Amino acid sequence: EIVLTQSPGTLSLSPGERATLSCRTSQRVSSSYLAWYQQKPGQAPRFLIYGASRRATGIPDRFSGSGSGTDFTLTISRLEPEDFAVYYCQQYGDSPTWTFGQGTKVEIK
Amino acid sequence: QVQLVQSGVEVKKPGASVMVSCKASGYTFTTYGLSWVRQAPGQGLEWMGWISTYNHKTNYAQKVQGRVTMTTDTSTSTAYMELRSLRSDDTAVYYCARVAWEPADGFDFWGQGTLVIVSS
Repeated sequence: EIVLTQSPGTLSLSPGERATLSCRTSQRVSSSYLAWYQQKPGQAPRFLIYGASRRATGIPDRFSGSGSGTDFTLTISRLEPEDFAVYYCQQYGDSPTWTFGQGTKVEIK
Repeated sequence: QVQLVQSGVEVKKPGASVMVSCKASGYTFTTYGLSWVRQAPGQGLEWMGWISTYNHKTNYAQKVQGRVTMTTDTSTSTAYMELRSLRSDDTAVYYCARVAWEPADGFDFWGQGTLVIVSS
C-alpha cells in the first residue's frame, strides 16, 4: 500500500504570501494519478488539481501543482482570505483504490 | 448542474447498522462511478470503497471490508452505503463522491456529507 505523507502539518501565512505544500509518496506514482483537494470547516472537499498539475474546472490560476515520482507540490501563489483551509493530496491505485494524505492546514498568521 | 444530495444525520447504537443514501442529478448516473469517503471528527479523509454504477462492481477498503456494502438504484439515480456492526470509531461524516470520467483524476463532485454518530 502506498502511503502519502504531507508536510508541513500546519502552515501559518499572511494573505498575499505564497504557500508551498508538499506530498510525498512511499513509492513512485504516475503524475497522472495525483490529485489535490481543498476543505473548509463544515464543508465537503473541493476538487482542485488532477494529474498533478491540471486545474479542475473553475479553480483560480493562483493554484498550481507540480511534481513527479515521489514528490509533489501544491503552490498557492498569493493567498486570498478564502484559501485558508485544509489541503489533501490523493493517489489512485489499481482495483481501483484511492489513498489520501493526512492533510496540511493553511492558517492565517 | 451536478448535485449529490445525501440523507440526514443518523444516531446509532454500537452493533447496529446504518444506511446512507446519495441521490445524484445533473448527469447520466451510470456514466460515472461513485466512491464513499469518511472523516472522523477532527481527522483526515479516509476512502471506504467504490462502486461502478454501470455494472455494480465494487471494491472496498480493507479496513471496512466485510462490514460495508455499496449498492445503487439506477431507476432513482441513488447510491447507498450500508455499514454494519457499528463501533464508536465509526462516528464520522460520510461523503459520497463522483469519480471523474478518468478514475485516476479523482473525485470531481461531492455530496454534502452525512453525520453518523455511534453512541450507547
